[in-house]
Amino acid sequence: AQTVTQSQPEMSVQEAETVTLSCTYDTSESDYYLFWYKQPPSRQMILVIRQEAYKQQNATENRFSVNFQKAAKSFSLKISDSQLGDAAMYFCAYTHPFDMRFGAGTRLTVKP
Amino acid sequence: GAGVSQSPSNKVTEKGKDVELRCDPISGHTALYWYRQSLGQGLEFLIYFQGNSAPDKSGLPSDRFSAERTGGSVSTLTIQRTQQEDSAVYLCASSWTSGGAGDTQYFGPGTRLTVL
Repeated sequence: AQTVTQSQPEMSVQEAETVTLSCTYDTSESDYYLFWYKQPPSRQMILVIRQEAYKQQNATENRFSVNFQKAAKSFSLKISDSQLGDAAMYFCAYTHPFDMRFGAGTRLTVKP
Repeated sequence: GAGVSQSPSNKVTEKGKDVELRCDPISGHTALYWYRQSLGQGLEFLIYFQGNSAPDKSGLPSDRFSAERTGGSVSTLTIQRTQQEDSAVYLCASSWTSGGAGDTQYFGPGTRLTVL
């Protein structure tokens, strides 16, 4: 079974600084998708960024970017210029197909 | 609608009672997913629908759990004879198609179920 591991239960970052959240996964598939979701206290899961495994180029979305290492099965999220509104639980997810597996999450605290 | 909606937002029930959780997906989305999030945990995939059919029900925790979707829209997750370990947040998501595993899923706000 595919598993997703987030080894950092909690992380903190100073406002305006950069933080990287780690994620590794296990799969025997070659074609799949990876996601980072953000869940603020409101419980609403919000897509942050997605990456297609067949694309070598790392996905970016404004201040959010990923470091996708397919051979190492690693998919880290970098948040640049951290803002107070970035504070939330962040979940890494894998899907192939329709069966989406989530990591246990990393709670990010942003210090003013 | 503007987004995925779920009702009720909170449900408190007594052990042994049945509960129904509702999900109303984004209009036009053909795929619908149910997840369970226990306190402090990640999301556990339960079931997905393509249209009205659920090709894979193996994620449902027990035979007390069932789900249906009618008219390719609203879905109901039913838990019979609830147990305390069923207490969790139940999240629903929808996506445009089932043609690709990478279709972005849009989540509802969830239903927090508490079984006393």
